[in-house]
Amino acid sequence: DTAVSQTPKYLVTQMGNDKSIKCEQNLGHDTMYWYKQDSKKFLKIMFSYNNKELIINETVPNRFSPKSPDKAHLNLHINSLELGDSAVYFCASSQGWGGRGNSPLHFGNGTRLTVT
Amino acid sequence: DAKTTQPPSMDCAEGRAANLPCNHSTISGNEYVYWYRQIHSQGPQYIIHGLKNNETNEMASLIITEDRKSSTLILPHATLRDTAVYYCIVRAGDTGTASKLTFGTGTRLQVTL
Repeated sequence: DTAVSQTPKYLVTQMGNDKSIKCEQNLGHDTMYWYKQDSKKFLKIMFSYNNKELIINETVPNRFSPKSPDKAHLNLHINSLELGDSAVYFCASSQGWGGRGNSPLHFGNGTRLTVT
Repeated sequence: DAKTTQPPSMDCAEGRAANLPCNHSTISGNEYVYWYRQIHSQGPQYIIHGLKNNETNEMASLIITEDRKSSTLILPHATLRDTAVYYCIVRAGDTGTASKLTFGTGTRLQVTL
């Protein structure tokens, strides 16, 4: 009954490769997000999609391309991986993105990406 | 979103109440106070949120001062499983910015026997 699930949990790859991370939520939420947690444990938002439309793009390099085939899925594709991309990537979802700010985010357990 | 200040770490004995403070002196009228926690190797977990009034749920209580410049998260009977980093976040409630949950460095709570 996992609410927000990401695959894979671990991803080790070499510089220059292209990789994807998948995310699915079964909460019926209409908004999904990608967050990045770096080695210093800072969590930063990367993207947000509402009803399959991109609504937040936090100046992420265009090597990162999110894709939302439907409301329940938000995948993250990364081209030409660099050493600095090594981090833990978290997917999250919530019901609604605007309004009164009272829609908590539900996070997945993260994908640890290591670029060598 | 308003900035928050939290102590970097706290200890609490198991079974005791853990009181985690947060300062948000620049909070504005439409900003909510949210608390999340992150247990090692897991994603952040929502705990509670509030606007003006104190709030309580099955996990914790949130006490917000009358001027809303600070708040305290209370775990009434801390257990070892409550050991985690606790994040206090102030988040605007208006359209367009509500999604930007910005995490700081949080408070690392260590619950001990």
